[in-house]
Amino acid sequence: EPEVTQTPSHQVTQMGQEVILRCVPISNHLYFYWYRQILGQKVEFLVSFYNNEISEKSEIFDDQFSVERPDGSNFTLKIRSTKLEDSAMYFCASNRDSNSPLHFGNGTRLTVT
Amino acid sequence: EDQVTQSPEALRLQEGESSSLNCSYTVSGLRGLFWYRQDPGKGPEFLFTLYSAGEEKEKERLKATLTKKESFLHITAPKPEDSATYLCAVPRETSGSRLTFGEGTQLTVNP
Repeated sequence: EPEVTQTPSHQVTQMGQEVILRCVPISNHLYFYWYRQILGQKVEFLVSFYNNEISEKSEIFDDQFSVERPDGSNFTLKIRSTKLEDSAMYFCASNRDSNSPLHFGNGTRLTVT
Repeated sequence: EDQVTQSPEALRLQEGESSSLNCSYTVSGLRGLFWYRQDPGKGPEFLFTLYSAGEEKEKERLKATLTKKESFLHITAPKPEDSATYLCAVPRETSGSRLTFGEGTQLTVNP
């Protein structure tokens, strides 16, 4: 069964550094998302992406964050200058159309020290 | 603001002891309610979508039901491998793709 894959599984970075989290969505999906989950808290929406542009973003997704689909298969989340509070699990998800269920990857655990 | 509340926060069952998890929501104009299973250190795994009150979906020992204000995930004769956190989520009223998740119910099934 096709799945969403994310790399790396764990990333440790120092405060102020840039990180890029990578995702390969399911190949015939058209809508892509990033969610995050701070330890012990709810899964929270960050951003949705369709047709090579952001379709929606949350209040969390400020100017420090950006997303890109650099080629036909990858979808990336960049955090320009990481803060301690960015430490979380970051999940990539995709779906075929905006009303069908989201399929999530297994996440990247980001630890900012 | 859309709200999704799950109860209980945690549930311990003996193998074979059936029970139900609750998800209540306040979003008006519901356009689907999703149930996911999340294992430790993994991403949410899709289980069910329910669209209208009265609808039911089943998968192995799990059955999801929906009313106008809440959804139940019934677990019949659970096994230890059913241990996980169960999440429900609804699309925001103004956005079909942006999901609001509940905090989840952490289920432990003891052998």
